[in-house]
Amino acid sequence: DAGITQSPRHKVTETGTPVTLRCHQTENHRYMYWYRQDPGHGLRLIHYSYGVKDTDKGEVSDGYSVSRSKTEDFLLTLESATSSQTSVYFCAISEGGGSNIQYFGAGTRLSVL
Amino acid sequence: GENVEQHPSTLSVQEGDSAVIKCTYSDSASNYFPWYKQELGKRPQLIIDIRSNVGEKKDQRIAVTLNKTAKHFSLHITETQPEDSAVYFCAAVWPRGDYKLSFGAGTTVTVRA
Repeated sequence: DAGITQSPRHKVTETGTPVTLRCHQTENHRYMYWYRQDPGHGLRLIHYSYGVKDTDKGEVSDGYSVSRSKTEDFLLTLESATSSQTSVYFCAISEGGGSNIQYFGAGTRLSVL
Repeated sequence: GENVEQHPSTLSVQEGDSAVIKCTYSDSASNYFPWYKQELGKRPQLIIDIRSNVGEKKDQRIAVTLNKTAKHFSLHITETQPEDSAVYFCAAVWPRGDYKLSFGAGTTVTVRA
């Protein structure tokens, strides 16, 4: 498995609280992505980063923000968690430079009560 | 972005038989099509991919075919084994930069012993 660590692996929180998920990579890959996985929807892109401090929205970005202050870390923040954000969140990385291959982290299971 | 549809959503096969999963994509400029396998509770892992300059690619018991004219691609698993039971996702790259992927909704494959 590529050197990708997601933390925490599991989290239960209450509606309205802020939540931050962390993705850490040791591969020095330029591109990093956050997906959510829900039954019947596959993997949907939330936000991605194409370099330090360079981020952009994906398909389902409402209610989420991201930050990337250094190559190895990509943070996903739910400013005010809602029950609809209960999901499994996956981070992925890609080298870019002609390679489209994405490698996934182990995922974070988030429950918003 | 790219819209990817995947069929069937579930597939049950007898051990030793073949399994076929089909996907269609919307943007004719898309040029990279990976397939991921996700076992229960695990991360998605790349099993095979194909680029638009190739019509077919094989790796042992799995193969992928691509029909650019019809904008569809398929995964073929021959001589299925119990360890092939998993959720399979197809994906297509967004053709206009940043190596983003759009995923199909997934196919749950069950291999009956």
